[in-house]
Amino acid sequence: GQSLEQPSEVTAVEGAIVQINCTYQTSGFYGLSWYQQHDGGAPTFLSYNALDGLEETGRFSSFLSRSDSYGYLLLQELQMKDSASYFCAVGQNFVFGPGTRLSVLP
Amino acid sequence: ETGVTQTPRHLVMGMTNKKSLKCEQHLGHNAMYWYKQSAKKPLELMFVYNFKEQTENNSVPSRFSPECPNSSHLFLHLHTLQPEDSALYLCASSRDPGQLSEKLFFGSGTQLSVL
Repeated sequence: GQSLEQPSEVTAVEGAIVQINCTYQTSGFYGLSWYQQHDGGAPTFLSYNALDGLEETGRFSSFLSRSDSYGYLLLQELQMKDSASYFCAVGQNFVFGPGTRLSVLP
Repeated sequence: ETGVTQTPRHLVMGMTNKKSLKCEQHLGHNAMYWYKQSAKKPLELMFVYNFKEQTENNSVPSRFSPECPNSSHLFLHLHTLQPEDSALYLCASSRDPGQLSEKLFFGSGTQLSVL
């Protein structure tokens, strides 16, 4: 089976950088994905890592260390619209972590 | 617009009712998923269908009955639900199940309230 851990809440100010961590246990590794969900909205895909290292997509980057079963999502130049919940996911059938609620303050 | 449409958006039902949730994807994907999202267990995987065949049942009670008549349509039939089943039910699809770099595309969900 799979299990994932994430911090429940993170708070930061506009313009700052924030890192959301994810540790996982999985029987078969198909990569680590990240999704964003605004209140009242559907989750949307942000980033994916299959290999160790950093993947950059604009203001968002995602890192993976398979030997440590660990990854993180890095959000730079935070904006108010980044306030949302962020989920990591693993496994062939996309098992999700508990989610991290990010609050961006002015 | 993600290409995944769910109806209805909101549903209120009594514990003795029978209702169905519908999901349709217009993306040509081969896998479809049902997730339950509640305050207690965010994004809990319920069922997975690959090429119309059920490949995952995550110990879901039998009062939830999925149906996948083709790769584009997915239903969740509900009967004799309990108040604790009140949640947001999300449908999702992906192109090639089991492949690396797969992405899930979610519908907007059905907010279910069981009275």
